[in-house]
This record gives sequence, structure tokens and C-alpha cells, in this order.
Amino acid sequence: ILNVEQSPQSLHVQEGDSTNFTCSFPSSNFYALHWYRWETAKSPEALFVMTLNGDEKKKGRISATLNTKEGYSYLYIKGSQPEDSATYLCAFGINTGGFKTIFGAGTRLFVKA
Amino acid sequence: DTEVTQTPKHLVMGMTNKKSLKCEQHMGHRAMYWYKQKAKKPPELMFVYSYEKLSINESVPSRFSPECPNSSLLNLHLHALQPEDSALYLCASSQGQQETQYFGPGTRLLVL
Repeated sequence: ILNVEQSPQSLHVQEGDSTNFTCSFPSSNFYALHWYRWETAKSPEALFVMTLNGDEKKKGRISATLNTKEGYSYLYIKGSQPEDSATYLCAFGINTGGFKTIFGAGTRLFVKA
Repeated sequence: DTEVTQTPKHLVMGMTNKKSLKCEQHMGHRAMYWYKQKAKKPPELMFVYSYEKLSINESVPSRFSPECPNSSLLNLHLHALQPEDSALYLCASSQGQQETQYFGPGTRLLVL
């Protein structure tokens, strides 16, 4: 059974705090690692896709890193704002002769003004 | 147009009802997906269509029946569902199965 683990499950921070979350995934048959941002009552929105060990991606105050050898990715948010409040989903793309994407349960971020 | 639309937004149905969920995208994507998500759990893949053909069925019970009438549309036909099938049903599409997926807002289903 292939599992993607995300921690923490939820996180409460103050506006201006920097924060980070972890995504752990199996290191075999790796194809890609995706991060999505999911606001309540909206569609999940793609943030990053990373394919190579050591990849780092950045979008404004949000950045992500990838370690495929040990099977983890970090998502960092610098100077959290209330509008960053959302669930951050990690998804592991696997190639076992066909492509499939396995999602984690997400980290729910609450940013208080 | 980078939007995936889903209808209806909410659906309440009895265990003997037949209903359908609809999903539409006009991005020219060739892969479309159905996911089921229960509260605080990961979205679980149900079906994948690639070039309008079913390519993955994750051992989903036959009371869920997918249909891809054309490259822009994906339906999920529901019949004789159980209360435990109550969940958020998400549709997604991507250029290819290995690419980033674009999601709809979901249909929240309640089976009574």
C-alpha cells in the first residue's frame, strides 16, 4: 500500500510567522511531487510540481524543496498572511507502467490576523 | 479557460435513486479523473480516463459507473448508493496522466 503522509495535520500561526510542512512519500517508482493549495469551498489549485532530487521551487512567499532519495518534500511559507489560510495537499506521482497520483490528507493552515 | 466545472454542487439522494454527476473542461486535456474525498482524509482516486477510454478503475463498486461521452465531458452515474458513499466527489483533468491536475470545486453528496 502506497501512502503519502503529511504533517502536521493542522497548524495555527499568527500573521507574520513563517511556517513549514512536511510531505513523506515512498522513494520507489517516483515520477513527480505536486503541492496543491485548497481553500474552503473552492477547487484545489496547483502550486508546484517537482521531478528531480534537489528541486526547489518558489512562488512569492511560498517555496518547496524535494528529496527523492529519502522521500520527503517541505513546503515553506514566509511571513504568513490570513489569505494563506487553506489546506495544503501533497501528491506523489508514481510510474508503475502507468501513471497514478496518490494524495496526502493535507495540512490545514490557520493564520490569525 | 482554465476552469473545470462540476454540477451539481450539492446532491441529496436516497439509496434507491439514480443520479449523475457531471464534469466539464475546455482546456483540451486528454486525461480526466474522479476522486472521492471523506472529511480529513486524502482524495482517493476512483477512475481515470485517457483519450476518452477508461484507463484506471481503482476497484470501485459497480454502483458507481463512469462515462466519458467526449473529450470535454466526464459523468459519474450513481445507482443504489449506500450512506457510506456520502462524500465530496472531485473531478480533475490534465494534459497527460503524468501532468499537473486541474480540479473542479466538487459535488458534495449525501446518501440517506
